[in-house]
Amino acid sequence: TQLLEQSPQFLSIQEGENLTVYCNSSSVFSSLQWYRQEPGEGPVLLVTVVTGGEVKKLKRLTFQFGDARKDSSLHITAAQPGDTGLYLCAGALITQGGSEKLVFGKGTKLTVNP
Amino acid sequence: GAGVSQSPSNKVTEKGKDVELRCDPISGHTALYWYRQSLGQGLEFLIYFQGNSAPDKSGLPSDRFSAERTGGSVSTLTIQRTQQEDSAVYLCASSPKSASYEQYFGPGTRLTVT
Repeated sequence: TQLLEQSPQFLSIQEGENLTVYCNSSSVFSSLQWYRQEPGEGPVLLVTVVTGGEVKKLKRLTFQFGDARKDSSLHITAAQPGDTGLYLCAGALITQGGSEKLVFGKGTKLTVNP
Repeated sequence: GAGVSQSPSNKVTEKGKDVELRCDPISGHTALYWYRQSLGQGLEFLIYFQGNSAPDKSGLPSDRFSAERTGGSVSTLTIQRTQQEDSAVYLCASSPKSASYEQYFGPGTRLTVT
């Protein structure tokens, strides 16, 4: 069972289009992170959202954390070829032992065609 | 300063052989994580080291997998008697604090078991 469901799994769009990627769970997270990964490299953090309902903007990227802290979305406006990559969401969970652990979704592979 | 480094970058091994993968985290980072990423999949948590605490080994898929972190710095992931299903990219990440803080990823080791 996948704890974090990301959709869509694959997305191929034309330059200039808008898109939204979703990350959903039945679990409540203390925080949620979005990463972007390019081929042959490790993921790089884009943003961390902590408060339910929080919205953060990073240039053309808008991130939203659901009110109940169970889901999140990433919206890209006027996508560019440089946005191509694998987008991963990751939720921070408190384990029974009291430590924190990140659980990752399977990712959305975005291709922006010129 | 230097980021997280991993070695080797690629490893091809025969089924049944043991392999060791190395991770050099960012200096001063107390938390270190190992993940596995199979083709088209998200990141699968393997093990987590935090300071001098006992590691969280809850993600290790079998007793053929083990990891250690010496002196709170370098970590080695060992896979004994490798199987073809162990083929994947193994990613290491470090963090200055706990999971809810940004994780800095290395480029990964691509393991192929023939």
